[in-house]
Amino acid sequence: NAGVTQTPKFQVLKTGQSMTLQCAQDMNHEYMSWYRQDPGMGLRLIHYSVGAGITDQGEVPNGYNVSRSTTEDFPLRLLSAAPSQTSVYFCASSYSGGSGYGYTFGSGTRLTVV
Amino acid sequence: AQSVTQPDIHITVSEGASLELRCNYSYGATPYLFWYVQSPGQGLQLLLKYFSGDTLVQGIKGFEAEFKRSQSSFNLRKPSVHWSDAAEYFCAVGSGYALNFGKGTSLLVTP
Repeated sequence: NAGVTQTPKFQVLKTGQSMTLQCAQDMNHEYMSWYRQDPGMGLRLIHYSVGAGITDQGEVPNGYNVSRSTTEDFPLRLLSAAPSQTSVYFCASSYSGGSGYGYTFGSGTRLTVV
Repeated sequence: AQSVTQPDIHITVSEGASLELRCNYSYGATPYLFWYVQSPGQGLQLLLKYFSGDTLVQGIKGFEAEFKRSQSSFNLRKPSVHWSDAAEYFCAVGSGYALNFGKGTSLLVTP
């Protein structure tokens, strides 16, 4: 049981390039979400999904796209990378149950845009 | 709108001393509250969470937190800090599909 897998772990991009951060979960969790972490800012929500085919914006969605065609996968696309998108990105999957909500986070992707 | 405030950016405590990290939240409905810890260069580890019931929640590594609805607070405590507790601590509030994090409190432990 791998949990939440994020790839790649590290990436360097040039300004204007595009790329996709991958996120996959094998727990059949209904919900998935993306966060970025910057020093002194905590983690901020980028986009989230409440099920296959359903996504919505979070606090900082500009410059990012998501889609969720399957329950397992929730990729984050950077359309045209900018230095301001240099950050550590975390993906999470979550569920709601009798004991409340449970979250599992991936190990993160460290992205540098030069 | 939801929000989480961690008033202390940095806290320094001596090893063996008690610790309290503050967290205040704003949330329209019944809050679901979490505390996470992050060591440098590492991912997030869940310390404890609160959904309902007993307002004093026990977590891992000897941590506990108390939910006080009247004060909109969910402060994290530990009776005796170890050097290995030095890390960044995040309070979060949310629902089943997304969390709203505070900006974090960095804990330094001195000998």
